Amino acid sequence: VQLVQSGAELRRPGESVRISCTASGYSLTAYWIAWVRQLPGKGLEWMGIIFPGDSDTRYSPSFKGQVTISADKSINTAYLQWSSLEASDTAMYYCATMTIFGVEEPFDSWGQGTLVTVSS
Amino acid sequence: QSVLTQPPSASGTPGQRVTISCSGRSSIVGTNTVNWYQHLPGAAPKLLIYRNNQRPAGVPDRFSGSRSGSSASLAISGLQSEDEADYHCATWDDSLNGPVFGGGTKLTVL
Repeated sequence: VQLVQSGAELRRPGESVRISCTASGYSLTAYWIAWVRQLPGKGLEWMGIIFPGDSDTRYSPSFKGQVTISADKSINTAYLQWSSLEASDTAMYYCATMTIFGVEEPFDSWGQGTLVTVSS
Repeated sequence: QSVLTQPPSASGTPGQRVTISCSGRSSIVGTNTVNWYQHLPGAAPKLLIYRNNQRPAGVPDRFSGSRSGSSASLAISGLQSEDEADYHCATWDDSLNGPVFGGGTKLTVL
């Protein structure tokens, strides 16, 4: 399983952006795809997750309403988007697969990360 | 502040054995299994240990995990220079209904 993420983004506060995560070697509908944030110098934070097979989406309370997770199974791609960025959104964002969303399950494979920088 | 607590740094010399701890509320770490991820500089994170002590295929047996009470540990024996990386623990938080991570430990091989 290989996850390839889109390239770095530089945006101004208030702008929107959508980053992507494309799977190769398997069908995106076979796994849950999560998004994980890493602020500069900080640990990892789970943001939310989607099952592209039926678009079932769950969000961490910290990120609900702040971002939108979606997927297009026809092109094996998941997305993370913001409608109005803030400087505090500056971070590295990773996508990762999970076979089953639930207790005991790890993130099996990870993308290489997408750096989003928000600066005026 | 992370739900799981890890030391920010650890170090060792080649060939040594180092351990990295991960502690949290007993309702979290004491109940649900712990996973460990290795994050080499400039690379994608990689699953290193799952369900407390299981190694995915391809992970050397120099890496081992354990859990006792509300703490978990990652041990690396026969330390090598290529082990220099950030190590993150993670588990499931029932109150969040999702996974939570530790703050990460930066391992330096001296």
